[in-house]
Amino acid sequence: AQKVTQAQTEISVVEKEDVTLDCVYETRDTTYYLFWYKQPPSGELVFLIRRNSFDEQNEISGRYSWNFQKSTSSFNFTITASQVVDSAVYFCALSGSAAGNKLTFGGGTRVLVKP
Amino acid sequence: GAVVSQHPSWVICKSGTSVKIECRSLDFQATTMFWYRQFPKQSLMLMATSNEGSKATYEQGVEKDKFLINHASLTLSTLTVTSAHPEDSSFYICSAREQFGNSPLHFGNGTRLTVT
Repeated sequence: AQKVTQAQTEISVVEKEDVTLDCVYETRDTTYYLFWYKQPPSGELVFLIRRNSFDEQNEISGRYSWNFQKSTSSFNFTITASQVVDSAVYFCALSGSAAGNKLTFGGGTRVLVKP
Repeated sequence: GAVVSQHPSWVICKSGTSVKIECRSLDFQATTMFWYRQFPKQSLMLMATSNEGSKATYEQGVEKDKFLINHASLTLSTLTVTSAHPEDSSFYICSAREQFGNSPLHFGNGTRLTVT
């Protein structure tokens, strides 16, 4: 069975602070994909990143960065110099290797960036 | 980029009526679409996997006779909530993956259903 745990339910920061969102996963698949999605108050899900299990390189995209540690089954997400527009719920998710395999979501972390 | 269109974005219906939600992949073909349900301040829970040309696969605890799924073409899946009750009020989101390749899931904008 697959499981994704986001231990932080809510994080509140002041603008320009950095914020790191934790994600720990469980899977028996040897090949799998990890994702982060952003859900702003309007409700739609915005794709942020996909990482496959064989690629442990960290990634940076603008103010966003991701740290994939296969040894600890973690895929953490950091927002640098947070902005009010970053306020949203962020979901970490896991998908097995089979085509069409379902996506298992973590419980989500609500980020509130105060001006 | 790939776009998934979901309609309607919100709907209010009376208890006992049925509501149909459409999910379309606009610029790609999707043999598989997924339907999720999200209660307020909760995560997304997979309801069912919709397969083009065959029966949907429902997750444990999801009533297939209540949540009818039809995937008649490679670009359209529908979810019908039959005999809706107030406890069915929720946010329903569909997603689709392109037919070929290892692309990520693309999500619709969701449908907020309120049953009065």
